[in-house]
Order: sequence, then C-alpha cells, then structure tokens
Amino acid sequence: DGGITQSPKYLFRKEGQNVTLSCEQNLNHDAMYWYRQDPGQGLRLIYYSQIVNDFQKGDIAEGYSVSREKKESFPLTVTSAQKNPTAFYLCASSIGLEDEQFFGPGTRLTVL
Amino acid sequence: GESVGLHLPTLSVQEGDNSIINCAYSNSASDYFIWYKQESGKGPQFIIDIRSNMDKRQGQRVTVLLNKTVKHLSLQIAATQPGDSAVYFCAERLNSGYSTLTFGKGTMLLVSP
Repeated sequence: DGGITQSPKYLFRKEGQNVTLSCEQNLNHDAMYWYRQDPGQGLRLIYYSQIVNDFQKGDIAEGYSVSREKKESFPLTVTSAQKNPTAFYLCASSIGLEDEQFFGPGTRLTVL
Repeated sequence: GESVGLHLPTLSVQEGDNSIINCAYSNSASDYFIWYKQESGKGPQFIIDIRSNMDKRQGQRVTVLLNKTVKHLSLQIAATQPGDSAVYFCAERLNSGYSTLTFGKGTMLLVSP
C-alpha cells in the first residue's frame, strides 16, 4: 500500500445520503486518481487530478465529486445521484500522469 | 475487495509449476502496459511493466511478453508459490500525448500446495 492511506476501510450509508471517502498520500506525487471496482470487472476511472487545484472527469464521473485543495489529499464524495454506489473504491497516485500508479488499500462502500 | 474475484477467469496450478496469465488488449495505439497483482481485500500492487518498443521484459520470477501483432500480453510466473494466489490485471495506456490507464477484468490465480 506504500504511502497511500484510505479511510475508512468499510463504510455503510443509507440510500439518499452523501458520503466522502478519504485518500491521503505522503509520496509527494502530483497525480492522484479514484477508481471503482465491481465484482468481475476491471477498475474504472472516476476522477483524476494532475496537480493541485485541478481535476478531470474519468469514464464514470456521474454521481461523484472530488476536490484537490492539497497535494496530499484527494477526497471523493459519493452523492445521492449515484444510482448504484455499492462498490470497492480505490485511490492511486503517481509522480506524473505517465508514471506508475501506486494504490491505496481501498474502501468498501455499502448502501443499505 | 473480497468479492473482486467473482465471475473472473480462473487459473489453478500446483505449487512449483510455471503459470501463464494472458491478456488481450484493445487498442493497437497503446504504447505502455502494466501488470498488477491484487490480493483479497487489498489494493493492486505493481508487478512489471513493458513499453511497446519491447517484446519481452523480465523481473524477479516474472516475465512479460508482448505480441503487438495480435494485441496480446502475457505474464509468466516461474515456480509459482501459494503467496502468488491473487487476481492479476493487465492495463494499457494509449500513445496519445496523455492518456489514463485502461484495466482488463483480471484473472484469478489459485496455487495449491
């Protein structure tokens, strides 16, 4: 898991509530990413950030929002607009966008 | 996570055997490929990478082969150990100035003692 931490490991929320997943890295990486993983599927990119105060939508950004106010932190908010939020969420970081990505341990979100 | 291996292709081998995990990638314009290993309940870990100007790259107990003609990538693990049991993903990146990684669905490797 290197220098990337995600919290909490397990998260439960009621339908209709927003929830924020934390991702912190101490690797001094400029780029950070959020992926979603569902059983039997590859990782799908939600949002990514090349540098502080900048972020871009990935392939499945609808129902999610992010911020990048600090280099070390890239929190992901799962909003009530996300119709199927139950999944395993992975955060990653890299020196730059074309460099090897290092992954955090993941957060499993379950909507009750 | 714990359920990431459900519905995935599975390769079962005996300890000590060599394992070969295959991946068909989608875009002939991809110029960079990575293999990741994901153990149950954990995030993926980098294993080895290869650029499109190479056909083969070796690491410790692992070899990646790239066949650009048929858009095929393989990961060979020598003397497979029970600790190698995990889901293995390939990922590709387009040669388009900047592009994010596209991940395959993965293969579950089960190693029996």
